[in-house]
Amino acid sequence: TQLLEQSPQFLSIQEGENLTVYCNSSSVFSSLQWYRQEPGEGPVLLVTVVTGGEVKKLKRLTFQFGDARKDSSLHITAAQPGDTGLYLCAGFLTSGTYKYIFGTGTRLKVLA
Amino acid sequence: SQTIHQWPATLVQPVGSPLSLECTVEGTSNPNLYWYRQAAGRGLQLLFYSVGIGQISSEVPQNLSASRPQDRQFILSSKKLLLSDSGFYLCAWSSGIYNEQFFGPGTRLTVL
Repeated sequence: TQLLEQSPQFLSIQEGENLTVYCNSSSVFSSLQWYRQEPGEGPVLLVTVVTGGEVKKLKRLTFQFGDARKDSSLHITAAQPGDTGLYLCAGFLTSGTYKYIFGTGTRLKVLA
Repeated sequence: SQTIHQWPATLVQPVGSPLSLECTVEGTSNPNLYWYRQAAGRGLQLLFYSVGIGQISSEVPQNLSASRPQDRQFILSSKKLLLSDSGFYLCAWSSGIYNEQFFGPGTRLTVL
């Protein structure tokens, strides 16, 4: 059972468009991270959100943690070809055993 | 600063042959260490994690094994590779309460 579902799975947009990627779960997370991975490389950490309702901005990227800490979103404004990659959310579950899980991933392609 | 190394970068092995992938971390002590496998364009599957020397937890039953002979060294092994073992193998380390993970460059394994 996949505990962190991301949507959409694939997204192809034109340069300059805006987009939002969602990361949803029925479980509560003590913290949640977003990573970006380029082909043939390891994922790179973008941000950590900890508090319910928290919003963090990283240049054109805006990250939000849901009030109940069960979901998160990533919004990109005026996408550029350099934003192309696989976006992964990941979270540390609050209950049960020590468990850090990754989402299903969203593959973004920004066309020039 | 911390760095993480993986080798080899690519590997082509016949079915039934042994495997040894190595991961080392520099610039940090007593990190948590992880091995993941990633199918093409997909999310990450956690294979093993370790919170200390000689302490290995397995997440998925399989013909792979892991060892941590030193604090900053993590090894992934197999006695006999299967076709299904092909994939992109990533090593990661983490520390701190939010479990943010930092990945190595990965090893592309092809089993023929």
